[in-house]
Amino acid sequence: NAGVTQTPKFQVLKTGQSMTLQCAQDMNHNSMYWYRQDPGMGLRLIYYSASEGTTDKGEVPNGYNVSRLNKREFSLRLESAAPSQTSVYFCASSRDSDLSYNEQFFGPGTRLTVL
Amino acid sequence: TQLLEQSPQFLSIQEGENLTVYCNSSSVFSSLQWYRQEPGEGPVLLVTVVTGGEVKKLKRLTFQFGDARKDSSLHITAAQPGDTGLYLCAGDSSGATNKLIFGTGTLLAVQP
Repeated sequence: NAGVTQTPKFQVLKTGQSMTLQCAQDMNHNSMYWYRQDPGMGLRLIYYSASEGTTDKGEVPNGYNVSRLNKREFSLRLESAAPSQTSVYFCASSRDSDLSYNEQFFGPGTRLTVL
Repeated sequence: TQLLEQSPQFLSIQEGENLTVYCNSSSVFSSLQWYRQEPGEGPVLLVTVVTGGEVKKLKRLTFQFGDARKDSSLHITAAQPGDTGLYLCAGDSSGATNKLIFGTGTLLAVQP
């Protein structure tokens, strides 16, 4: 039981390049999330998917797109990377979206540097 | 934008000392969670508090939700080196779903 897995673990891009961050969970969770973590700013929600087939914007969606490929997989795409997108990206999942009773399980993160 | 401010930002203490971390906001939260994050890993949930005034204990960790549900505290008794990490509070203000607001974090280092 791997929980939430993310690939790649590290990535360096040049400004303007594109890439997709992959996330998969094996807990049969309905909801999945993408966050970015920057020093002194905590975790900020980029996009989330409450259930298979739905996606919604979070606090900082500009410059990103997402795809809920199936119940297990939720990918994050940077179409034209910018230095401001240098960050650590975390994927998370939860059984449902009711935060009062469900914990979010996080992956190990992807450390992205945009030069 | 709703903010959750944590204090202190950094804390370096000796093994055996007690400490308290605070999480404050001007907003009311329907629930509040505390996570611990170790270097190179994602956050892991420690506790969820839901009722104003609620106190939960997890071994040497005591969590309290403020009466007005705008603030919370985490108290660690007799800190151990294994307690080292980044502590994050996260509040759900929507009462519905999907809107966890994370605090800025408190980085704790416990020296042996």
